[in-house]
Amino acid sequence: KQEVTQIPAALSVPEGENLVLNCSFTDSAIYNLQWFRQDPGKGLTSLLLIQSSQREQTSGRLNASLDKSSGRSTLYIAASQPGDSATYLCAVTSGAGSYQLTFGKGTKLSVIP
Amino acid sequence: EAGVAQSPRYKIIEKRQSVAFWCNPISGHATLYWYQQILGQGPKLLIQFQNNGVVDDSQLPKDRFSAERLKGVDSTLKIQPAKLEDSAVYLCASESYEQNYGYTFGSGTRLTVV
Repeated sequence: KQEVTQIPAALSVPEGENLVLNCSFTDSAIYNLQWFRQDPGKGLTSLLLIQSSQREQTSGRLNASLDKSSGRSTLYIAASQPGDSATYLCAVTSGAGSYQLTFGKGTKLSVIP
Repeated sequence: EAGVAQSPRYKIIEKRQSVAFWCNPISGHATLYWYQQILGQGPKLLIQFQNNGVVDDSQLPKDRFSAERLKGVDSTLKIQPAKLEDSAVYLCASESYEQNYGYTFGSGTRLTVV
């Protein structure tokens, strides 16, 4: 059974800092990995999707990397802003005909002005 | 492209009452999911539809939860009777192989059972 772990559970940084969020998964046989953002009381917004054959994806100030063999992914946020404050969720799709997502519990990020 | 629509946004009910949530996925997306997210946890899959057929409902508490997807488009999730532990956000999502099975989630329905 796939398990996804995110460390740390919460993170507080001053505005302008670069930061890294970590995600690990137990079964390396994944189809893809997605990073989502969730604002309080809201649904999930997809940030980046990395296919299992890819090593990284970039969007603006966000960069996600994937090391499938070691079961790890990182989300790098450059020059953090207060508007980045949210919970960030990592999820993997195991494929094999079913593309269900298995989520971690998330990292709650607070960027202090 | 329009997103995944869900309603209502919020619902408060007493335990043992019934409640229903509605979801309209992105047009053309064959696969639809319902996830339950309890406060402080990641979302957990309840049921997966492919068109109007159920692919996986192994984690759906079938004694009280039911779901249907008529005509392979809209879907309804029902809880009857509700328990206190059903308080959660219920998220609907659709995905498309054309987008490498990337997911699009709706805004969710926040259910509070008192």
